[in-house]
Amino acid sequence: SQELEQSPQSLIVQEGKNLTINCTSSKTLYGLYWYKQKYGEGLIFLMMLQKGGEEKSHEKITAKLDEKKQQSSLHITASQPSHAGIYLCGADSSGGSYIPTFGRGTSLIVHP
Amino acid sequence: GAVVSQHPSRVICKSGTSVKIECRSLDFQATTMFWYRQFPKKSLMLMATSNEGSKATYEQGVEKDKFLINHASLTLSTLTVTSAHPEDSSFYICSAREGAQTQYFGPGTRLLVL
Repeated sequence: SQELEQSPQSLIVQEGKNLTINCTSSKTLYGLYWYKQKYGEGLIFLMMLQKGGEEKSHEKITAKLDEKKQQSSLHITASQPSHAGIYLCGADSSGGSYIPTFGRGTSLIVHP
Repeated sequence: GAVVSQHPSRVICKSGTSVKIECRSLDFQATTMFWYRQFPKKSLMLMATSNEGSKATYEQGVEKDKFLINHASLTLSTLTVTSAHPEDSSFYICSAREGAQTQYFGPGTRLLVL
């Protein structure tokens, strides 16, 4: 089965700092999703990346997909306390079954 | 974007009772719905996948007789936790997708079994 490894597991930054979260797949990525979750709440869809070195932005959050490395990175510029939460990457499995798997998440705390 | 709702948002029940959680896609037809369980500080664990009109496919280790899933229409799936026990207390999240489109998540249901 496909496994996704996220790093770092947790992150504490000062407001205004930039940060990067990585998501590495053990197999070919057919679709990579980034979600944000406020503690105890549901998931918020941020963006989806398809194959081929795609890059997308959502407000101050930018995600890139490097298919050759089977990796995606999520970059937050000038972080704010509102960015705090758990960031999850998810991917569709191979073969078109579209059953997603998830990384373990990265917990982000932004100090004002 | 597409909206998925869950009801109830939180429920407290006594051990031994059954609890039903509803997942609805409000503005699209969900050909596939997923049910997840999330333990504290853990990632989502896929419990089962359901396609409208057919039986759900359960992941290994998930008891299908305990977690009953019904996907009777293209906008509604239900998860019934039967004979709930304290260890069933968790955060349950559903997601829905139309065809091969992006999946959208519900807000989750927090279940507490006393």
